[in-house]
Amino acid sequence: GENVEQHPSTLSVQEGDSAVIKCTYSDSASNYFPWYKQELGKRPQLIIDIRSNVGEKKDQRIAVTLNKTAKHFSLHITETQPEDSAVYFCAAPGGTSYGKLTFGQGTILTVHP
Amino acid sequence: EAGVTQFPSHSVIEKGQTVTLRCDPISGHDNLYWYRRVMGKEIKFLLHFVKESKQDESGMPNNRFLAERTGGTYSTLKVQPAELEDSGVYFCASSHLRTSGKNEQFFGPGTRLTVL
Repeated sequence: GENVEQHPSTLSVQEGDSAVIKCTYSDSASNYFPWYKQELGKRPQLIIDIRSNVGEKKDQRIAVTLNKTAKHFSLHITETQPEDSAVYFCAAPGGTSYGKLTFGQGTILTVHP
Repeated sequence: EAGVTQFPSHSVIEKGQTVTLRCDPISGHDNLYWYRRVMGKEIKFLLHFVKESKQDESGMPNNRFLAERTGGTYSTLKVQPAELEDSGVYFCASSHLRTSGKNEQFFGPGTRLTVL
């Protein structure tokens, strides 16, 4: 089955700095890579995702890059703001496109004003 | 469009008791998933329904857990009897049944289960 490793487990930055979270996956059949943000006490929410036929995707201050050869993908947040503070999870579906997501361990991001 | 809803939001029970969690997916979503997050760890898959059928139950910890989705609408997850290690936040998610590769899953707010 799929195995997803996520680093770092905690990340502390100053407001305005950039933050990068990295994930690796094991199943080369994975073709869809979502990132979820979970604020304290709230539900995980999809913030950006990328399909395997694309190397990079950007949405305002958030971008995701994918390296299929190396089997890793990264979340980049620029100009961080205090409201970006949350737990971020990466995920991959393995060989089943409509099935379960295997999540990384999560990264606690803290943005200091 | 109403999001995924879950009930109850919190449940505190004693070891050996029974608890039933409910999930109402987004209307029209045939895929329904159950996940669990134990304190400070990753979100782990439990079970996947396609309509009323169990597509994948490889993540169910043991036979104390029983999930149902009668009629292909809402789902219940029953834990009987509950053990201490069952404590955690149980999330439900749903998605459209698509023919393309993107499977955007929408999560509910979760049920925080505490077993004492």
